[in-house]
Amino acid sequence: KAGVTQTPRYLIKTRGQQVTLSCSPISGHRSVSWYQQTPGQGLQFLFEYFSETQRNKGNFPGRFSGRQFSNSRSEMNVSTLELGDSALYLCASSWGDLRSYEQYFGPGTRLTVT
Amino acid sequence: KQEVTQIPAALSVPEGENLVLNCSFTDSAIYNLQWFRQDPGKGLTSLLLIQSSQREQTSGRLNASLDKSSGRSTLYIAASQPGDSATYLCAESSNNDMRFGAGTRLTVKP
Repeated sequence: KAGVTQTPRYLIKTRGQQVTLSCSPISGHRSVSWYQQTPGQGLQFLFEYFSETQRNKGNFPGRFSGRQFSNSRSEMNVSTLELGDSALYLCASSWGDLRSYEQYFGPGTRLTVT
Repeated sequence: KQEVTQIPAALSVPEGENLVLNCSFTDSAIYNLQWFRQDPGKGLTSLLLIQSSQREQTSGRLNASLDKSSGRSTLYIAASQPGDSATYLCAESSNNDMRFGAGTRLTVKP
């Protein structure tokens, strides 16, 4: 069974640009969550989607948004990039919401903002 | 502010030793606690998930316990091997999000 896949794996953008990251969950999983990992702040929750609806959102500015499609694939968008957005972005999928089910993580997308 | 703390931040042990990693949390309303390992530059691998109603979970050489009343969880690794070298993170899920500790970087020396 294929694991969680994320594309692209690496990305370099300049300040002010926008970026879209993609996550394909494990087949059958309906929940996708996104996380940001930085050396200074560690791993932080961005948002969770279940059946195309945003269920929860972490403490991030509105520049960070996401969506989920009917096939459970999810995209995350960051607009007006700042240097501090440089991070490893991880997505995770699970059968149901993150309060009850084990989270399976993808390899991440490493975003560098210059 | 709800927090998750992991102690120690780093640990180095000789191969074969049993060891315990600690995780403490302040949110008493957690739904579950999950332990992960992360290898350098890679995503997280789930090790064990303990629901709030459970006391412990076991998988092979790993055993995780949960004490909600004291806000603590431990990950016990038996007979450690060099392949266990990684960063271990705990994460608690509450009503609105998932909070991670900063991790314990484990090195098992041959």
